[in-house]
Amino acid sequence: IAGITQAPTSQILAAGRRMTLRCTQDMRHNAMYWYRQDLGLGLRLIHYSNTAGTTGKGEVPDGYSVSRANTDDFPLTLASAVPSQTSVYFCASSAGTTGRDNEQFFGPGTRLTVL
Amino acid sequence: GQNIDQPTEMTATEGAIVQINCTYQTSGFNGLFWYQQHAGEAPTFLSYNVLDGLEEKGRFSSFLSRSKGYSYLLLKELQMKDSASYLCAVQDSNYQLIWGAGTKLIIKP
Repeated sequence: IAGITQAPTSQILAAGRRMTLRCTQDMRHNAMYWYRQDLGLGLRLIHYSNTAGTTGKGEVPDGYSVSRANTDDFPLTLASAVPSQTSVYFCASSAGTTGRDNEQFFGPGTRLTVL
Repeated sequence: GQNIDQPTEMTATEGAIVQINCTYQTSGFNGLFWYQQHAGEAPTFLSYNVLDGLEEKGRFSSFLSRSKGYSYLLLKELQMKDSASYLCAVQDSNYQLIWGAGTKLIIKP
C-alpha cells in the first residue's frame, strides 16, 4: 500500500535520552518534512528536505537533527530530549515543492512524551 | 512576520452549511491549501487555490481572494463525519507552507 509510515506510534522518554523517529515513504516523493503539532499552535516545521542528500531548517529546528541518505527515508533525531519536546510529530512528503506539487501527504504521527 | 488567522472553533447543525474563514499575511503567495484533520489522525488534503475564485469539489468548496488575503472553505449538507479540524496553509515566496492553528468544527444533530 503506497503511503508514508512512521515509527514508533508513541513513546515515553526520559529527559536527556537520545531518540530517533523514523519515517519512510514509498511514493518516490522528492520532498519530505518533519512537523510538530501542539495544542493551539498548529503545525510547525522542524526540518525539511527538498531532495535526497539535502536538508534545511524550518521554524523550530533547535534540539533536532535530520538526514536524507535516500529518497524514501527521513529520520528525525532528538539528541538529548527535553520536556518541551513533548508533542505529536508528523512526517510528510510531497512530489515537489512548488504549487500543486507541494500537496503534502502525512504519516500517522508519533506521540512523544518526555518526562 | 507571517500570520494565518482562523477561528478557533465553530459549531454547526447536521444538514446545514458552514463557512470557515482564513485570513493571511505572508511574505509572498504561491497558493493556499485546506486540510482536514480528524481528532488523533493525520491531516488530509482537501483543496488548493492559487487563482482568485471558487473551486468546487462535491460538498466542499474553497474560495480565494489574493487582493484581500482571504480564503474560505464552504461545507454543504453537513454530516456528523465532518466534525474535525480544518487547517489553512499558505505557500509563501520561499514555497514554505505556513500553517494556521486550525478551526475545530463541531457538528450537532
